[in-house]
Amino acid sequence: AQSVSQHNHHVILSEAASLELGCNYSYGGTVNLFWYVQYPGQHLQLLLKYFSGDPLVKGIKGFEAEFIKSKFSFNLRKPSVQWSDTAEYFCAVNAPGGYQKVTFGTGTKLQVIP
Amino acid sequence: GAGVSQTPSNKVTEKGKYVELRCDPISGHTALYWYRQSLGQGPEFLIYFQGTGAADDSGLPNDRFFAVRPEGSVSTLKIQRTERGDSAVYLCASSRTSGYTDTQYFGPGTRLTVL
Repeated sequence: AQSVSQHNHHVILSEAASLELGCNYSYGGTVNLFWYVQYPGQHLQLLLKYFSGDPLVKGIKGFEAEFIKSKFSFNLRKPSVQWSDTAEYFCAVNAPGGYQKVTFGTGTKLQVIP
Repeated sequence: GAGVSQTPSNKVTEKGKYVELRCDPISGHTALYWYRQSLGQGPEFLIYFQGTGAADDSGLPNDRFFAVRPEGSVSTLKIQRTERGDSAVYLCASSRTSGYTDTQYFGPGTRLTVL
């Protein structure tokens, strides 16, 4: 069975600081990887996804994530955060070849201070 | 267009009661998923529908939980003899097809509180 661990539960940054949220997964085969975001009072929405190809994936709002197969990691990054990035971020994984039975991590709450 | 909608947004019930939670997927989406999110946790897969049939219900915690999607659109998650441990946010998601590359679109969730 696949599992996902997110190292940071709560991160506080000042505006313009750089962001990196850790994500490691446990699965022996090929995986699809996702980052979802939930802004305060809003639905969970897809930030970016990796299926194959270039391991550096760019998503919405300036976010990117790098898939490092040897480390089983898919860390989320943003060079300069804004107050509007305050949200909860979830890393997720599913095994390809079928439907999306997605396994989520426990989430990281990001608070950006103006 | 309209996104995934869920009703009610909040449901408070007493231990032992029966509840139904409804999900309206995006029109034309054939795949529908239910997740449960407990406090401090990420969403946890419960069940997946492709059309009218439950293709995978391996995430349902026990036989008190049941879900249907009789016409391949709206789905209802049913919980019998509710317990305090069932308190959580129940999320529904839909995708255009069941293919693993299709994006899942989530609804706002139903917050269930069992007293």
